[in-house]
Amino acid sequence: DVVMTQTPLSLPVTPGDPASISCRSSQSLLHNNGYNYLDWYVQKPGQSPQLLIYLGSNRASGVPDRFSGSGSGTYFTLKISRVEAEDVGVYYCMQALQTPPLTFGGGTKVEIK
Amino acid sequence: EVQLVESGGGLVQPGGSLRLSCAASGLTFSSYWMHWVRQAPGKGLVWVARISTDGSRTSYADSVKGRFTISRDNAKNTLFLQMNSLRAEDTAVYYCARDLQSVVLPAAILDYWGQGALVTVSS
Repeated sequence: DVVMTQTPLSLPVTPGDPASISCRSSQSLLHNNGYNYLDWYVQKPGQSPQLLIYLGSNRASGVPDRFSGSGSGTYFTLKISRVEAEDVGVYYCMQALQTPPLTFGGGTKVEIK
Repeated sequence: EVQLVESGGGLVQPGGSLRLSCAASGLTFSSYWMHWVRQAPGKGLVWVARISTDGSRTSYADSVKGRFTISRDNAKNTLFLQMNSLRAEDTAVYYCARDLQSVVLPAAILDYWGQGALVTVSS
């Protein structure tokens, strides 16, 4: 199975500051069609997970443009250009190339300082 | 508006069975692959199973293979997860999720999630 490793585990941030989360996969997620099969999800407190970024760098519908995804192969990054209070939650990366199973990273908890 | 509503969770003894349902509305249910994902208390997300649009293809996590069965009723817009031989480690919130995968978007992309159903396995 593809192992997904996220860092950091916890990320205290100041509103208005940028934030960055890393996700590393044990195998390349680059398909021969040119897409990276890597999604980002966020689970806000008390809520279900929601899709943020798909295929490595595409924002899901309704996601603010302060969120961006980048990377290719085995290394990916989720960036928040200016953190807002509503961005607190646990962020997960998920690979969808070598399936089954789909595998998630362990999560990064973003909290306000 | 797309809605996925899970039901059927509850407390069950080890070795027992439970059947989860996920009622879908606001979408052409039969056009989408569907998944179950679970989350143990205080833990991360773990994929459980998926099913193709017509129900002919299914896949499972090794941890539930042979014990859980995913199925769907497209006429009733409902997804199911039959869970047998339940263990304490199956205790979790179970989410159903829609897969946006298509010819244009060729990877599994879970774009809508239900609110979850809590399954507790304990004596």
